[in-house]
Amino acid sequence: GESVGLHLPTLSVQEGDNSIINCAYSNSASDYFIWYKQESGKGPQFIIDIRSNMDKRQGQRVTVLLNKTVKHLSLQIAATQPGDSAVYFCAEKVPGYSTLTFGKGTMLLVSP
Amino acid sequence: GAVVSQHPSWVICKSGTSVKIECRSLDFQATTMFWYRQFPKQSLMLMATSNEGSKATYEQGVEKDKFLINHASLTLSTLTVTSAHPEDSSFYICSAFRNYATGELFFGEGSRLTVL
Repeated sequence: GESVGLHLPTLSVQEGDNSIINCAYSNSASDYFIWYKQESGKGPQFIIDIRSNMDKRQGQRVTVLLNKTVKHLSLQIAATQPGDSAVYFCAEKVPGYSTLTFGKGTMLLVSP
Repeated sequence: GAVVSQHPSWVICKSGTSVKIECRSLDFQATTMFWYRQFPKQSLMLMATSNEGSKATYEQGVEKDKFLINHASLTLSTLTVTSAHPEDSSFYICSAFRNYATGELFFGEGSRLTVL
């Protein structure tokens, strides 16, 4: 059968709160990072990206912060809504490689 | 709207049969597509890189005779799970770069395979 499922880290917030989801990436050579949102039973959706020459990028209600010193990436969601409930994955890309490496994912649960 | 489409969204089959999953890029040409497998509550695991007009590149531990990949055109890659068994039951997702230079990678909606 399938592998035993691991329990994803879960972040539970109230509607209207700000959410911060963290990710430690693995390769110091990575120069491109993406956050994806995956709702149950669906493929990942692009949220926001950032290149290694930046340390912050803002989108609509979302902000990505990059700290290359400690290889850390975070996704901040402002005024979290129930529709934001999903699993969030960070992904990194190394120059010269066509593939992305995904982090383990964090489940965000937003209560009304 | 979706830029990468998968079909079928879900399929149930008997053990021993083969199942084909299609991945299409809808408004762009994709010389390279990627196939992932995802178990419940886990991250995406890259299975193989599908290359138009040439053989797919498989990740370590993925059986190429079990998971046949064909990338016959610039907008279509197929994954065939041959002689499926219950342990092949999983969520299969494809992706493609719409713009490789900028890294815009889009995913299909995923295909849920259940092998009885």
